[in-house]
Amino acid sequence: GAVVSQHPSRVICKSGTSVKIECRSLDFQATTMFWYRQFPKQSLMLMATSNEGSKATYEQGVEKDKFLINHASLTLSTLTVTSAHPEDSSFYICSTTLSSYNEQFFGPGTRLTVL
Amino acid sequence: RKEVEQDPGPFNVPEGATVAFNCTYSNSASQSFFWYRQDCRKEPKLLMSVYSSGNEDGRFTAQLNRASQYISLLIRDSKLSDSATYLCVVNQRAGSYQLTFGKGTKLSVIP
Repeated sequence: GAVVSQHPSRVICKSGTSVKIECRSLDFQATTMFWYRQFPKQSLMLMATSNEGSKATYEQGVEKDKFLINHASLTLSTLTVTSAHPEDSSFYICSTTLSSYNEQFFGPGTRLTVL
Repeated sequence: RKEVEQDPGPFNVPEGATVAFNCTYSNSASQSFFWYRQDCRKEPKLLMSVYSSGNEDGRFTAQLNRASQYISLLIRDSKLSDSATYLCVVNQRAGSYQLTFGKGTKLSVIP
């Protein structure tokens, strides 16, 4: 299966700062990557679909100006949480897939804590 | 009605027990179905896909009932290492990559 890495694994930052999370596909070219958020004891919620070379598609209720996504290459997508607030504290996970019928391969996640 | 609904548990079972999890989904046009496993503070990992005819992988059996929009997972001879949260996951549209996740059912296997 595909291998997906994420960096950093954990970040603690002050309110008002911006945090960049990287998601890399290590062994295949990913034209599409997904960004999820998971609050404690909640399900994974899709935030946006990241498409290489074009604008990301955001889910309803997700502010595109707050969660900036860049997918500049076939192996790297980044999510930047701008002006982070304590309510943005969550587990952010990226994933990619080989097809719509196959499993999605998840990165190990980034745990963000905003003080 | 939630799109993918699961009993959150927790299910506390002794080693060797058989345990069953259920899941219902709201969109009758859903195409693909999966069970994922998520360990505490980790990413989800695919346990098995669920096929219309039902499928088995070792101690794990998954079943799908499209008429009732119901998915199940049966774990036989539970091991301590089976302790995790089990996520019911549905792809609601043909040709779409988007997955909809249930909140998960927590399983604790007790020695």
